[in-house]
Amino acid sequence: AQSVAQPEDQVNVAEGNPLTVKCTYSVSGNPYLFWYVQYPNRGLQFLLKYITGDNLVKGSYGFEAEFNKSQTSFHLKKPSALVSDSALYFCAVRAASGGSYIPTFGRGTSLIVHP
Amino acid sequence: DTAVSQTPKYLVTQMGNDKSIKCEQNLGHDTMYWYKQDSKKFLKIMFSYNNKELIINETVPNRFSPKSPDKAHLNLHINSLELGDSAVYFCASSQDRNDGYTFGSGTRLTVV
Repeated sequence: AQSVAQPEDQVNVAEGNPLTVKCTYSVSGNPYLFWYVQYPNRGLQFLLKYITGDNLVKGSYGFEAEFNKSQTSFHLKKPSALVSDSALYFCAVRAASGGSYIPTFGRGTSLIVHP
Repeated sequence: DTAVSQTPKYLVTQMGNDKSIKCEQNLGHDTMYWYKQDSKKFLKIMFSYNNKELIINETVPNRFSPKSPDKAHLNLHINSLELGDSAVYFCASSQDRNDGYTFGSGTRLTVV
């Protein structure tokens, strides 16, 4: 079985400060990992993914995420937060091989960036 | 040009009614999905179609029936609506299994 934990329901950060949204996962074998963002009353938007290769993945809107196999983590980061980054962020995981190819989503973390 | 479009955006209906939600993607993707997002924002896969063929059918009541007339369309028909069906339903598509998904903007279904 595959699962994702986003341990924080909400993250608060001041504009201009770095932000981190945490994600840990459990999966058999190697993981494929994804981050999505959902703005109010909108669908999810794909930000970035880790399939293989460099552990630091860069994505849309200045976001990046670091894959850490030993800690089974895939935290989302941005060096300088914007008020417009305020949204709901979802981490998702699926096994690289075997099992369902449908990713399991975390429960989401609400990011609030204060002016 | 909306990549994945769903209609209607809002749907309010009475218990026991039958309703449909339509989804179309103009991205040329091979795979389409239906997700349900509950009031706590939890996302659950319902169905997955690949080139009009049903691939994934999670534990969903058989009152829910997807139909894919071609690979650009995946509609969701719901019979005998219940209060617990109230949620936001998202359609999504992807070119292949390793890609991120492109989601529609959602259909907010309210059953009264």
